[in-house]
Amino acid sequence: DQQVKQNSPSLSVQEGRISILNCDYTNSMFDYFLWYKKYPAEGPTFLISISSIKDKNEDGRFTVFLNKSAKHLSLHIVPSQPGDSAVYFCAASAQTDSGSARQLTFGSGTQLTVLP
Amino acid sequence: GAGVSQSPSNKVTEKGKDVELRCDPISGHTALYWYRQRLGQGLEFLIYFQGNSAPDKSGLPSDRFSAERTGESVSTLTIQRTQQEDSAVYLCASSGQSPYGYTFGSGTRLTVV
Repeated sequence: DQQVKQNSPSLSVQEGRISILNCDYTNSMFDYFLWYKKYPAEGPTFLISISSIKDKNEDGRFTVFLNKSAKHLSLHIVPSQPGDSAVYFCAASAQTDSGSARQLTFGSGTQLTVLP
Repeated sequence: GAGVSQSPSNKVTEKGKDVELRCDPISGHTALYWYRQRLGQGLEFLIYFQGNSAPDKSGLPSDRFSAERTGESVSTLTIQRTQQEDSAVYLCASSGQSPYGYTFGSGTRLTVV
């Protein structure tokens, strides 16, 4: 059973417009959510995160929104740029016993293509 | 080093051969993870090491796959008698106790021919 779902495998957006990537989760114990970006031939890199005590976190062109009641989060990129073209992974984690690092559960990713 | 280092970056092997992939985590990171990404698919969890605790091997797809980690240092992922379906990018990540998640290496692209 997938606990973190990204239902759109791909998304194409015109340069300068807004990109909205969506992610749904099922585990109510998740309290920290992250977005990773992956270019071909590279490992995923951390992009932005949000704690469950917030409903919005903004960093430059990137904003993550969290709707806990709907168990849904989204990543907004505005304005979108061709260099944003990559695979975006949503990830979630739950608090663990003290002394243990958090384990992330990843979605299957969304390929974003920003057209010039 | 400053990041997670994986070697080799690319590996082409013949079906039936054994391969060994290496991961050097960030110094001080207690947790180490192996994932793989097959073509067109998402990140598939393989195995997780946390300090000196018994590893979580729940993601290993078959008994041909094994991994070791000595203390909080280097890890090796071994695939015995490789099959074509093992072709994938194998990603290693490490993390401390920060909630900010993992730092990934650049991966090893394994091609079984």
